[in-house]
Amino acid sequence: AQTVTQSQPEMSVQEAETVTLSCTYDTSESDYYLFWYKQPPSRQMILVIRQEAYKQQNATENRFSVNFQKAAKSFSLKISDSQLGDAAMYFCAYRTTLSGANSKLTFGKGITLSVRP
Amino acid sequence: EPEVTQTPSHQVTQMGQEVILRCVPISNHLYFYWYRQILGQKVEFLVSFYNNEISEKSEIFDDQFSVERPDGSNFTLKIRSTKLEDSAMYFCASSAGLGSAFFGQGTRLTVV
Repeated sequence: AQTVTQSQPEMSVQEAETVTLSCTYDTSESDYYLFWYKQPPSRQMILVIRQEAYKQQNATENRFSVNFQKAAKSFSLKISDSQLGDAAMYFCAYRTTLSGANSKLTFGKGITLSVRP
Repeated sequence: EPEVTQTPSHQVTQMGQEVILRCVPISNHLYFYWYRQILGQKVEFLVSFYNNEISEKSEIFDDQFSVERPDGSNFTLKIRSTKLEDSAMYFCASSAGLGSAFFGQGTRLTVV
């Protein structure tokens, strides 16, 4: 079974600075998807960014980018120019491609990010 | 922008009562999911649904739970006899296929 590990429970960043959130995963599969979801205090789950394992290029979405290291099974999220609205819980998630299009997401425990003004 | 909508946003129920949580997935999506998050814990998979049947379910999804797509738009989760430990945030999600799943805003269920 796949597992997703987020070992840092909390992180803090100064507004306008850059922060990196870590995630590692364990799988024997070669093709899969990785995601970062943001959960603000409203508790809605918001998709931040997605990475396909077969792509070598790291995904980017505006101020958000990932460092995907397939061999190391590492998938970190970098937030540049941090804003107060970035304060939230961030979840790393894994999705296999093997069981088809309805495969489930496996989540890490999450990390709470606070942004200091 | 299309989104997944869930109702109600908050439901309080007495232990032993039945509850139905409702979801309207994104209209062109074919794959539907329920997840739950007990306060302060990680998000856990409950069930996936495709082509009017359950594709996969977790060990949490026991006989007290059921899902249904009663018409072309709604996707419901029923808990027949709620227990205190069912108190959690319940998320509906949908996807068009492989790739990204989009979540609703969640229903906070409180069992008293």
